[in-house]
Amino acid sequence: DQQVKQNSPSLSVQEGRISILNCDYTNSMFDYFLWYKKYPAEGPTFLISISSIKDKNEDGRFTVFLNKSAKHLSLHIVPSQPGDSAVYFCAAIRSMEYGNKLVFGAGTILRVKS
Amino acid sequence: ETGVTQTPRHLVMGMTNKKSLKCEQHLGHNAMYWYKQSAKKPLELMFVYSLEERVENNSVPSRFSPECPNSSHLFLHLHTLQPEDSALYLCASSQDNRGTYEQYFGPGTRLTVT
Repeated sequence: DQQVKQNSPSLSVQEGRISILNCDYTNSMFDYFLWYKKYPAEGPTFLISISSIKDKNEDGRFTVFLNKSAKHLSLHIVPSQPGDSAVYFCAAIRSMEYGNKLVFGAGTILRVKS
Repeated sequence: ETGVTQTPRHLVMGMTNKKSLKCEQHLGHNAMYWYKQSAKKPLELMFVYSLEERVENNSVPSRFSPECPNSSHLFLHLHTLQPEDSALYLCASSQDNRGTYEQYFGPGTRLTVT
């Protein structure tokens, strides 16, 4: 049962335009969401996060939007740059007995063309 | 060195071999994790250690054996693996395994079981 889904395996965007990466989740108990970015031969690196009590969080060119009623979040990158080409993982935090668990989506490959 | 390091970066082993993956974090964190990433699948959490105590074993076969001798080091001992165990194994650490602390990942070990 995949609780965090990234339905687009890849996305191609022209440099300077907006990139929109989408993520859907099924568990209404998630209360914190994160986006990670991964380059080849490197581990994922934290990009931006949002609490479930907010609907928007912005950090420079990166903005994450959360629609709790739709169980949907998106990452907007504007303007997109070639260096943004990477795999983007959506993740949600689920509280467990032992602590918190990160549940990841399968990732979306973003290619920014110059 | 800074951040989270993993060795080796690549490993090829036969099904009868015994090998170990090593992870070291230089961030002063108290929680460490092992993840498995198979092709086109979400990261799967395998083990969680908090203050050197294993707090989660996510239904992982016994041919994978973790060890956490101190809060900076984490090992994954491998024996009699199967070809389907070939994957990228990622280590991560976080300040704590509660709250909303993001996890910092190492570059991973690409494991191939022949």
